[in-house]
Amino acid sequence: QQQVKQSPQSLIVQKGGISIINCAYENTAFDYFPWYQQFPGKGPALLIAIRPDVSEKKEGRFTISFNKSAKQFSLHIMDSQPGDSATYFCAASQGTYKYIFGTGTRLKVLA
Amino acid sequence: NAGVTQTPKFQVLKTGQSMTLQCAQDMNHNSMYWYRQDPGMGLRLIYYSASEGTTDKGEVPNGYNVSRLNKREFSLRLESAAPSQTSVYFCASSEARGDYGYTFGSGTRLTVV
Repeated sequence: QQQVKQSPQSLIVQKGGISIINCAYENTAFDYFPWYQQFPGKGPALLIAIRPDVSEKKEGRFTISFNKSAKQFSLHIMDSQPGDSATYFCAASQGTYKYIFGTGTRLKVLA
Repeated sequence: NAGVTQTPKFQVLKTGQSMTLQCAQDMNHNSMYWYRQDPGMGLRLIYYSASEGTTDKGEVPNGYNVSRLNKREFSLRLESAAPSQTSVYFCASSEARGDYGYTFGSGTRLTVV
């Protein structure tokens, strides 16, 4: 019940396309859902986050869509660029300090 | 620059050796964490410290110990390293509620032979 399932494991997108990464959770007590971006050799960095009281949050080309009834949330990267090539992790937390991370999606954007 | 500093960046240990991974943050964060990252398994929590003076086990604590030395520093110790502990280790810190997300260090790549 503590797992966060992330898909796909890897994704290849053409420059200018839309990248979509999905996550699903089971614990309805989760109340904070961040996405992290990690470049090779670096630590993950917070990209965008959402709480379950809203269905969508947009920051620039990055959008989180949240479906509380389905217990799913997704990251959309619009107009994907080669510089977006990285590993993306979704996560969830339950009113504590501990995040449960998904297994990651390796995104490659072709020039 | 403000952030989380981890040392060392790389380490090779022989099975049975011990070592301590160091982590320090200068953002006055209350909470600190140790994660390990393995291919296909994402980030798994080893130990965390919600505030100075407290530590708790995470998902994969076996074989590890931690010390919250003060508000800035949180160390991870491997008493008797095993090949299964070959991984990339990340330290992170956050405000008490985590609304601002974690700030991660750049990681320690550990190989146990």
